[in-house]
Amino acid sequence: QQQVKQSPQSLIVQKGGISIINCAYENTAFDYFPWYQQFPGKGPALLIAIRPDVSEKKEGRFTISFNKSAKQFSLHIMDSQPGDSATYFCAASRGSGNTGKLIFGQGTTLQVKP
Amino acid sequence: GAVVSQHPSWVICKSGTSVKIECRSLDFQATTMFWYRQFPKQSLMLMATSNEGSKATYEQGVEKDKFLINHASLTLSTLTVTSAHPEDSSFYICSARDRTGVKYNSPLHFGNGTRLTVT
Repeated sequence: QQQVKQSPQSLIVQKGGISIINCAYENTAFDYFPWYQQFPGKGPALLIAIRPDVSEKKEGRFTISFNKSAKQFSLHIMDSQPGDSATYFCAASRGSGNTGKLIFGQGTTLQVKP
Repeated sequence: GAVVSQHPSWVICKSGTSVKIECRSLDFQATTMFWYRQFPKQSLMLMATSNEGSKATYEQGVEKDKFLINHASLTLSTLTVTSAHPEDSSFYICSARDRTGVKYNSPLHFGNGTRLTVT
């Protein structure tokens, strides 16, 4: 119940295309769903996050779509660029304040071809 | 923005020795820090939750006597890998959340990780 399942494992997209990464969770107590971007040898950096009271959140080229009934959420990267090539992790946590532990998905390696 | 600094960024040690990794929040205070381990091409696995002024909480399967965590101040947590072995070689990453105002799910900021290689 603590798992967050992410797919696909890897993704190749042409420059300018849309990259879509999906995640699913089981624990309905999760109430915070962030996406992180990680470059090789670096720590993850927060991209965008959503709470279950909204169905979509957009920040620049990045959009999270959230389906509470299906317990799924996805990241859409519009106009994908070679600089977006990285590993992307979805995550989930529950609880407020500073105690919520993040549970990560398995990761998706994105390659954007020029 | 909030910055979490980890030191060292990489370390090589001999089997049987101990290694200490530091995690500092540079411009905010963190009552809680989290330590993750990441093997190549794998996800981040939570090892333990570090609480300022109290004992760390370890995830199932993580040996607390092997991975010693000390959170002595609101800006510093340390992870000591004791009697390191080659199978402990991994990428260790810490994270922290700004405690100011006990913000609801305020973002978790990650350090740049420490690459540990045990020979």
